[in-house]
Amino acid sequence: EPEVTQTPSHQVTQMGQEVILRCVPISNHLYFYWYRQILGQKVEFLVSFYNNEISEKSEIFDDQFSVERPDGSNFTLKIRSTKLEDSAMYFCASSLLTSDETQYFGPGTRLLVL
Amino acid sequence: KQEVTQIPAALSVPEGENLVLNCSFTDSAIYNLQWFRQDPGKGLTSLLLIQSSQREQTSGRLNASLDKSSGRSTLYIAASQPGDSATYLCAVMDNDMRFGAGTRLTVKP
Repeated sequence: EPEVTQTPSHQVTQMGQEVILRCVPISNHLYFYWYRQILGQKVEFLVSFYNNEISEKSEIFDDQFSVERPDGSNFTLKIRSTKLEDSAMYFCASSLLTSDETQYFGPGTRLLVL
Repeated sequence: KQEVTQIPAALSVPEGENLVLNCSFTDSAIYNLQWFRQDPGKGLTSLLLIQSSQREQTSGRLNASLDKSSGRSTLYIAASQPGDSATYLCAVMDNDMRFGAGTRLTVKP
């Protein structure tokens, strides 16, 4: 069964560094998403992406963040100048045709900012 | 701003019991509601999606209902098994997806 994959599974970085989290959505899906879950807190929506542009973004998704689909398979989240509070699990998800269909989540990347 | 609440926060039941998890949301203008399962340290697995025009969805031992006007959904699990132990999240979709904090379910053998 097709699934969303994410790399790396774990990332440790120093405060102020840039990180790029990578995702490979399910191949025929058109909508892509990033979410984060700070330890012990709710899953929070960051951004949705469709047709090579941002469809929706939350108040969390400020200028520190950016997303890109650099090729036909990868979908990336870049976090510039990381802060301690960026430490979280980051989930990528995709859905087939529209944003109100079932979203399929990847296993997540655990980011630790020291 | 949409707020999603799940009650109870934790639930422990003996194997074989039927159980109900509750989800409430503050703004009824949603496109759909989705129930997920999350195992410790893992990603989210979609269980059921109910469109705003639907009242319920069933998959195996799971049944989810939606009462959009009252802002409530329930997830019914029949004949619970130890393998059902996980955190169950509900999420509503309006312009983006808003999650509840989850119900941590433990099914004891």
